[in-house]
Amino acid sequence: QVQLQESGPGLVKPSQTLSLTCTVSGDSITSGNYYWGWIRQPAGKGLEWIGRIYTSGNTNYNPSLKSRVTMSIATSKNQFSLNLKSVTAADTAIYYCARLKSYYYYFDYWGQGTLVTVSS
Amino acid sequence: QSALTQPASVSGSPGQSITISCTGTSSDVGIYDLVSWYQQHPGKAPKLMIYEVIKRPSGVSNRFSGSKSGNTASLTISGLQAGDEAHYYCSSYAGGSTLVFGGGTYLTVL
Repeated sequence: QVQLQESGPGLVKPSQTLSLTCTVSGDSITSGNYYWGWIRQPAGKGLEWIGRIYTSGNTNYNPSLKSRVTMSIATSKNQFSLNLKSVTAADTAIYYCARLKSYYYYFDYWGQGTLVTVSS
Repeated sequence: QSALTQPASVSGSPGQSITISCTGTSSDVGIYDLVSWYQQHPGKAPKLMIYEVIKRPSGVSNRFSGSKSGNTASLTISGLQAGDEAHYYCSSYAGGSTLVFGGGTYLTVL
């Protein structure tokens, strides 16, 4: 059974960088059939795709966040990470990591999500 | 890249059928058969219900079905049950290796 688990600080100060890690178990992050993605959800609002990363390190980001987002992958640890810089209160949300099927663009396994609050 | 348009809410009685629409453009829903649907109960992570417009993952009830016509995709739930009450989100490939979600629809089972 594939499992994903987000980890990272629950509180980030405005203008700083939000950093989260997703640890994958039950599947190898180097599987060629999947990308690995991040999605966020502000309280009471809908889902927003942040971006995706492949085992090779190739990335694609939501154009609206592209200037502030960086994703990386650590194959030896079966982990991938999200960095979002220059955060504001508008970045307060539950952040999910998920497995994305290559070519078909659906998320079949999700982490439980982690709440990140941006506040001083 | 704009969010796909979904009705804010729909409702139905147990046993009835409902349909949730997801309207995009000729740059996403209209051109790619890469629409998926997710169910999200309060406080839980989304769960994949439909992918590639019409396909159901293993373990998802056949009461859930998907379709598409032009720029609008639809999710139909037949034989409504109390446990179906949840938020539902559509998503679509939007070209340029990007993906877009709908704003979400809350289903109330009366």
